[in-house]
Amino acid sequence: EVQLVESGGGLVQPGGSLRLSCAASGFTFSDYLMTWVRQAPGKGLEWVASIKEDGSENYYVDSMKGRLTISRDNAERSLHLQINGLRAEDTAVYYCARGRASLFYWGQGTLVTVSS
Amino acid sequence: QSALTQPASVSGSPGQSITISCTGTSSDIGYYNYVSWYQQHPGKAPKLMIHEVTNRPSGVPDRFSGSKSDNTASLTISGLQAEDEADYYCSSYAGSGALVFGGGTKVTVL
Repeated sequence: EVQLVESGGGLVQPGGSLRLSCAASGFTFSDYLMTWVRQAPGKGLEWVASIKEDGSENYYVDSMKGRLTISRDNAERSLHLQINGLRAEDTAVYYCARGRASLFYWGQGTLVTVSS
Repeated sequence: QSALTQPASVSGSPGQSITISCTGTSSDIGYYNYVSWYQQHPGKAPKLMIHEVTNRPSGVPDRFSGSKSDNTASLTISGLQAEDEADYYCSSYAGSGALVFGGGTKVTVL
């Protein structure tokens, strides 16, 4: 059974940083491109970042470029998202998902709240 | 990376058919056959319902179907059921590794 479990969310002050993680199981992690999607409270889905299977290429949403670093550890079957310079508008549930154009599997999400 | 356009809400009675539209541009929906549709119930993660415009993942009822014409994609739910009440999001690959989502459509079963 495919499982994606996010962690690392929480309350952070404006300007702070956070590193989100996603633990994958039930499939060959290194065979799949992985993606982060976020959803602000009461709002729609927004693609955030994706990373190729071998980590050789990363892709970021224009609105957050320069503040994001997506990475993966295929040996540990884990996906990560480092967010710097957090702003109130970054408050959202962050989901990791398998795939890029078609997101077949999603985690349950981790809530990031940016507030003083 | 502009959001795709969806109607805010669509409603129908049980057994009826409804269609949700998703309008993009010639750089996303009009160029790539990588349109997906997701269903999201309150407090839950999204669930893939349609991928690559018309394909249903295993386990998705055949009441759900997708199509595309020019820059607009559509999701049709036939024989609407109470459990279909949810938010629905379209997405399209937009090139250069980017994915773009629609704003979401709330489906109400009357």
